[in-house]
Amino acid sequence: DIVMTQSPTSMSISVGDRVTMNCKASQNVGSNVDWYQQKTGQSPKLLIYKASNRYTGVPDRFTGSGSGTDFTFTISNMQAEDLAVYYCMQSNSYPYTFGAGTKLELK
Amino acid sequence: EVQLVESGGGLVQPGSSLKLSCVASGFTFSSYNMHWIRQAPKKGLEWIALIYYDSSNKYYADSVKGRFTISRDNSKNTLYLEMNSLRSEDTAMYYCAKTNPNWFAYWGQGTLVTVSS
Repeated sequence: DIVMTQSPTSMSISVGDRVTMNCKASQNVGSNVDWYQQKTGQSPKLLIYKASNRYTGVPDRFTGSGSGTDFTFTISNMQAEDLAVYYCMQSNSYPYTFGAGTKLELK
Repeated sequence: EVQLVESGGGLVQPGSSLKLSCVASGFTFSSYNMHWIRQAPKKGLEWIALIYYDSSNKYYADSVKGRFTISRDNSKNTLYLEMNSLRSEDTAMYYCAKTNPNWFAYWGQGTLVTVSS
């Protein structure tokens, strides 16, 4: 199975910060990485698909990049409503696998 | 509007069985592959099963293979997950999700399964 190693595990941030998190795949997954946001008590929500494509209605402060084994997710101007856990997931081959998540907390 | 509504969760004893349902609306259910994903309390997400739009193929995570069965009834717009030989480690929120084509654009609200004596 493909292991998705996500870092960091958590981040203490302030509103307005630029936030960057990473995901490393244990083997080449092309551009087949998606990023999800999960707020407390809610279902996950798709933000980025195929590494760098913003899903419908997702604000442009959310961006993704990368290919092969190394992927990056960035929030350019952190807002209070962005406090959540963020997960990467590879959709290149079954079983699909998720990273362990990055939790954003207020400093 | 796409809606996925899971049901069937509850408190069960180890070794018992449970069948989850996910009723879909707002899209042509019979045209899309469907998945189950779970999340143990305060843990991350785990993909567990996929069924093709026409039931021709099914895939499972190793953690549930041989114990769980995914199925669907396209005439009822319903996805199922039959879970047997339940263990404490199966305790989780279970979500159904629709892929379009490979990413999970739509998720249900989840149904909670608790396996405990």
